[in-house]
Parts: sequence; C-alpha cells; structure tokens
Amino acid sequence: NAGVTQTPKFRILKIGQSMTLQCTQDMNHNYMYWYRQDPGMGLKLIYYSVGAGITDKGEVPNGYNVSRSTTEDFPLRLELAAPSQTSVYFCASSYYGNEQFFGPGTRLTVL
Amino acid sequence: DAKTTQPPSMDCAEGRAANLPCNHSTISGNEYVYWYRQIHSQGPQYIIHGLKNNETNEMASLIITEDRKSSTLILPHATLRDTAVYYCIETGAGNNRKLIWGLGTSLGVNP
Repeated sequence: NAGVTQTPKFRILKIGQSMTLQCTQDMNHNYMYWYRQDPGMGLKLIYYSVGAGITDKGEVPNGYNVSRSTTEDFPLRLELAAPSQTSVYFCASSYYGNEQFFGPGTRLTVL
Repeated sequence: DAKTTQPPSMDCAEGRAANLPCNHSTISGNEYVYWYRQIHSQGPQYIIHGLKNNETNEMASLIITEDRKSSTLILPHATLRDTAVYYCIETGAGNNRKLIWGLGTSLGVNP
C-alpha cells in the first residue's frame, strides 16, 4: 500500500493564482482531513470528510474549498492565493477517526 | 484551542527512557488521550492512545493517572531517531473524529 500520497511536494504561487492540492489514499478509509501547519506551530484543521459526498469545515476553512467524489480522493482548492496561505499542507485519512495516517505534505509559498 | 498542556522541550540521553508528560485536567469521561509525533518536516505519526488503563505497544507505553487528569508517554530506550515533536491530544468519539493540535513537546535525544 502506498498509504496517503500528496502532490505536488513543493509549489510557489503568485498572489491571486489558484491551484489544487491533490490527496489520495489507498486504505479504503472513510475519514479524510486537510491540515495546515505554519512554522513552529501545531496543525490546524481546514476541512474534513466523513465519507464520499460529505465534507465539513474545520478551524480555518476561509480561502479553501474541498470536494469528495470518491473514497480515495480529497482535493483541496485554493482559489485566490494570498501570502497568509504560505504553509505546509498535510492530508490525512483514518478508518474510524482518531488514528490518522498522514501524507508527506505539500510546501506552498505564495509571493 | 488545544485542551492539553505539555512542556515545550525536553532532552534525553540515547538509550535511556524518555518520559513525556501531558496535563489534560478538563478531560471528560468518554474522551481518549492520543499521542502523535512529528519528525522534522514529515507528516505526524500515530504512536498510542488510551482511555483510563495503561497501554503498551511496540513503540511506547502510556501511563494515565487514576484521576485521568494527566498522562506520561514513555519511550523505553530512546534513540536518535526518536528526536521529534510529540503531541498529546484529548479527543472524544462524538466530535467527528477531529483532533485539536497544540504545540507539543520537542524531544531532543543526545548521543
């Protein structure tokens, strides 16, 4: 099993550009999560999903959108990139919720 | 905000036991204590969790006080590869499996 995979690993965006961060898991997990982590800080939950077709906001959803059309994929969309969205983004999945498996992260810089 | 309190940093000699404390004085009866760690720049990794009994797995032991207001994660023989930030998280089954992350404890294992 590949576990949780994320693409791209690194990305530099200009202010106002948009992009989609991809996340795929091959463990047939129902729960999936998107977090961001700023330098020296803990993780903040952006959005989560408890199953295909169901998504909900986390602590810091503003500026982001998600969709969950399949069990495997949970993409995160940034519509109008801002410098405040410079961060490391982690995707995670879980079978029953609290034991979460994380991807390697996407390092995003907005200039 | 995170409901647990951890020391910001600790050091441990290689080969010795590392004991990482966590206070969770407001934990309710159905909330578990979860421990994760994050090795530099990587996604967090699940270690162990418990409700009220002590737990042990191949990575660590978790000791929870009888009043459940605090716990200690024990790495029995720390190695250099255990250098990481360790997060203690309290979470229940009724909150859509959302984890609220604090700043954790940065553990340095010294040769």
